[in-house]
Amino acid sequence: QKEVEQNSGPLSVPEGAIASLNCTYSDRGSQSFFWYRQYSGKSPELIMSIYSNGDKEDGRFTAQLNKASQYVSLLIRDSQPSDSATYLCAVRSYGQNFVFGPGTRLSVLP
Amino acid sequence: KAGVTQTPRYLIKTRGQQVTLSCSPISGHRSVSWYQQTPGQGLQFLFEYFSETQRNKGNFPGRFSGRQFSNSRSEMNVSTLELGDSALYLCASRPSYSGAGDTQYFGPGTRLTVL
Repeated sequence: QKEVEQNSGPLSVPEGAIASLNCTYSDRGSQSFFWYRQYSGKSPELIMSIYSNGDKEDGRFTAQLNKASQYVSLLIRDSQPSDSATYLCAVRSYGQNFVFGPGTRLSVLP
Repeated sequence: KAGVTQTPRYLIKTRGQQVTLSCSPISGHRSVSWYQQTPGQGLQFLFEYFSETQRNKGNFPGRFSGRQFSNSRSEMNVSTLELGDSALYLCASRPSYSGAGDTQYFGPGTRLTVL
């Protein structure tokens, strides 16, 4: 059973701080890693994808991947109240379906 | 480019009935996946279709079925509805099935309530 684990939260950070979201996965053959953001009552929207070890930056977001530790994280710099949402980590192996974690609820306090 | 569309957006049914949900993928996307999302279970994979063939299937009973048409549009059907089938049903599309780097994009979902 392929599993993706995340702390359910809520993770509370003050406005302007760095939010750090973590995800671990069980399948060593996983090749693709994704972060989605989901606002309450809405569908998930893609934030970032990452495929190679290291960091990938996109604006205020940085994804970090460590395949040896089976760990992927998302950093949100200068957090804004509008970043308050549930963040879903998704993992995929070649030819397999996406496996999602339970999500971490982030609350950015003004 | 238009996003993934799903119809209907909201649906109320009673136990024992059946329901059909529809999904139109992003133009040019040939793979469509379906998910069930509930507060208790999170986002659960139902099945994925590519080129009108089911490629992957999640751990759901046979009451849940789907199909894909030649234009990549997809439908899912749930027969003999149960109260526990109340959920947000999400469709996601991506360009192909075999691309390891393919990103999937979600539609707005269909909110199904079973009374």
